[in-house]
Order: sequence, then C-alpha cells, then structure tokens
Amino acid sequence: DGGITQSPKYLFRKEGQNVTLSCEQNLNHDAMYWYRQDPGQGLRLIYYSQIVNDFQKGDIAEGYSVSREKKESFPLTVTSAQKNPTAFYLCASSRQGGEAFFGQGTRLTVV
Amino acid sequence: AQSVTQLGSHVSVSEGALVLLRCNYSSSVPPYLFWYVQYPNQGLQLLLKYTTGATLVKGINGFEAEFKKSETSFHLTKPSAHMSDAAEYFCAVSEGSSFQKLVFGTGTRLLVSP
Repeated sequence: DGGITQSPKYLFRKEGQNVTLSCEQNLNHDAMYWYRQDPGQGLRLIYYSQIVNDFQKGDIAEGYSVSREKKESFPLTVTSAQKNPTAFYLCASSRQGGEAFFGQGTRLTVV
Repeated sequence: AQSVTQLGSHVSVSEGALVLLRCNYSSSVPPYLFWYVQYPNQGLQLLLKYTTGATLVKGINGFEAEFKKSETSFHLTKPSAHMSDAAEYFCAVSEGSSFQKLVFGTGTRLLVSP
C-alpha cells in the first residue's frame, strides 16, 4: 500500500539526548514536511523540503535538524537544544499542486 | 502572511443534528483551503479541499464546505451528525501555488452525544 510511515509510534528521550524520528513515503511525492502538534495550538511547521538535498526552516525550527538524502526519506532529529520537546510529531508529503498526506505520528516524551 | 481562525475549540451536538464548524482565513493571494479530521493518536485525514472552480465542495463521510471569498470563510457542515464523527477537525490554508505549505488553525473538537 502507498503511504507514509513514521516510526517509532512512541519515543522517550532523556534530558540532553538527541533523538531521530523516521519518516518514509512511497507515494513518489516531491515535498515532505514535519509538523509539531501541542494541545490547543494546532500544527506548527518545523521544516519542509521540496526536493532532495534541499530543505527550509519552518516557523519553529530551533532545536531541530533534518536531512533529505533520498526522495523517500525525511528524518527529523530533536536535539538537546530543544527545550520543550514533548509533543506529537507529524510527517506529511505532497506532490506539486496536491494535498498533503500525513503519517500516523510519533509521540515524543522527555523522561 | 496567511492565517486561519477556527471559532470554538469545542462544539457539541446531538446525534442527528446539524454540524457546523467555522473557519475564517487570511491570505494575500487566492487560497487553497482544506479541512482535515484527526482521531485520537492518529495522523490527519483529508476531508475535502477547495482549489478553484465550484465554491461548494463535497467531501468524504457526508461533509461539505463552501468557499465564500467576500466573507473569507470556509465553514464545514454536515446535515446529520453520527457518533463516529466525534474527532478533532482542522482547517488549513495554502498559498494556492504549486508548493503546498499549509498553515493550520488551532482545531475544533467535535463532541457528539446520543
């Protein structure tokens, strides 16, 4: 089946650790996105990429990093510089002029 | 800059009643508009979208929305609510270009009582 796969579904991070969230798509979409969701705040854009080896900061990029080495993959690293990382993270992809398709999300908790 | 306002963080209806979820947007260019639904601990699923053409858009699960440029609105409606409609609904806008950078509203949780 075509779609977007995020892993893991649940992730726990200790203070000071970097963690990487995986996002893979087999929809042959050019663009990929990372959003952060907090209760009552909707979705906020962290990073996005329109093409391989290129990406741009979104509205809340501080404390996060990404890479786009392959069209299918857009991993997100939450670094120790992110002071409040506990949230639900959603990955999405789209083709030019099309709607965004979302993965099932990763819930990150700092312990 | 684009923005989306969803009036009411929570909306409660009885089963069989009309569902109306409000969305107003701000955009300096002709917008593309979307409604997404989210069930607990899941991703977002597209309900419907407006890009160009007919301003009344029909989506999945009996939902529809009307683009009103003069009111900068894109309200979501369903004639008769089902228990399975209970979820969180997000309105989103993009610049209507070939690149899909979505700006989301803060969401409206729909509660359906028997």
